Amino acid sequence: EAQVTQNPRYLITVTGKKLTVTCSQNMNHEYMSWYRQDPGLGLRQIYYSMNVEVTDKGDVPEGYKVSRKEKRNFPLILESPSPNQTSLYFCASSLRPGTVYNEQFFGPGTRLTVL
Amino acid sequence: TQLLEQSPQFLSIQEGENLTVYCNSSSVFSSLQWYRQEPGEGPVLLVTVVTGGEVKKLKRLTFQFGDARKDSSLHITAAQPGDTGLYLCAGVYAGKSTFGDGTTLTVKP
Repeated sequence: EAQVTQNPRYLITVTGKKLTVTCSQNMNHEYMSWYRQDPGLGLRQIYYSMNVEVTDKGDVPEGYKVSRKEKRNFPLILESPSPNQTSLYFCASSLRPGTVYNEQFFGPGTRLTVL
Repeated sequence: TQLLEQSPQFLSIQEGENLTVYCNSSSVFSSLQWYRQEPGEGPVLLVTVVTGGEVKKLKRLTFQFGDARKDSSLHITAAQPGDTGLYLCAGVYAGKSTFGDGTTLTVKP
């Protein structure tokens, strides 16, 4: 089954404790992206990657890191999480980046709480 | 940063009623997409409109892209409880997607 998977689905942590949220897609998509979703603010892009070893900042990259060493994986790293990073995070991938179609397939989401 | 404003933010209607959701921007987009998100899941693409003035129909859903490619609307005819969810518009430009804040639709039986 073609899908985007994220782990963990739920995470409660404390300020300053490094964490990684994994994202994997099995559709051979070149484009992958991370979003955070907060009430009243919609989906905001954190980082995106057009291909292996190519990553770019989105609209809200502060406090986050990413890497794209393999085509299928795009982990999101929070080196020193803070309470304002409490949010619902989505990973997405796309087959045709750079085109008007750019249909994105989303993972199920990771709900992160930073105390 | 390109911004997309959706209205209304919340909409609660009875089954069988019609409704329209709007997505507006001051920026021009290459295309406009509509996604639907259910609780506990990620958004799922409903449609992509590309040409200014384009109208697409998906069963009871009608999507329109403004002539100037800055705005779009989603019209649902005879809404059903299964239409309940969060509707998100997304503008695509240079391969990058900018999402609106979303419209939460509740359709009561």
